[in-house]
Amino acid sequence: QVQVVQSGAEVKKPGASVKVSCKASGYAFSIFDMHWVRQAPGQGLEWMALINPGDGTTRYAQKFQGRVTLTRDTSTSTVYMGLSGLRSDDTAVYYCASLPEFWGQGTTVIVSS
Amino acid sequence: IVMTQTPLSLSVTPGQPASISCKSSQSLLHSDGVTYLYWYLQKAGQSPQLLIYEVSSRFSGAPDRFSGSGSGTDFTLKISRVEAEDVGVYYCMQGIHLPRTFGQGTKVDIK
Repeated sequence: QVQVVQSGAEVKKPGASVKVSCKASGYAFSIFDMHWVRQAPGQGLEWMALINPGDGTTRYAQKFQGRVTLTRDTSTSTVYMGLSGLRSDDTAVYYCASLPEFWGQGTTVIVSS
Repeated sequence: IVMTQTPLSLSVTPGQPASISCKSSQSLLHSDGVTYLYWYLQKAGQSPQLLIYEVSSRFSGAPDRFSGSGSGTDFTLKISRVEAEDVGVYYCMQGIHLPRTFGQGTKVDIK
């Protein structure tokens, strides 16, 4: 069956970078875009970016342009989300999702000095 | 595209119906004839789970007490008889344009 498994929680200091992984299985990885959505504590869902695992094409929300980088490794069916220049308001749960159906379990990123 | 949900919270007696509205700032009808509107339920501490896709199609495993309707810019999610397990936050999402956007969420709890 389809599984989307993300890496574990991270604690970072302001100004640092984080890289979250997302491994997919059970479907044709290269065909479907992988999206990243985040959710700040007690808040709603915010779309950040997507990558086409087949050709590596990326699209980023304007808010995150220049700070977020998506990459993929087709040999392991894994997508990576890097976020730089972390601020306290980047504290959130980060989800990868093969929208609309399949979501990872979420990765908590805490930014604190 | 701005997605606006109402109400933002709902308290329902078990066995009673519930309804959530979602309005988009632009039509979600694509030139391919499909309307790209989705409904999710996010239970506490969990990832969002897809309930309804393309306005009115129930996703695999979604109970048949959930139904979706609407067209263009106005959409509704209905729960025919609310059960305790339906507690959580419901989101609509548009899938026609980037960036994907979600409604603010409707928190449903049990009276």
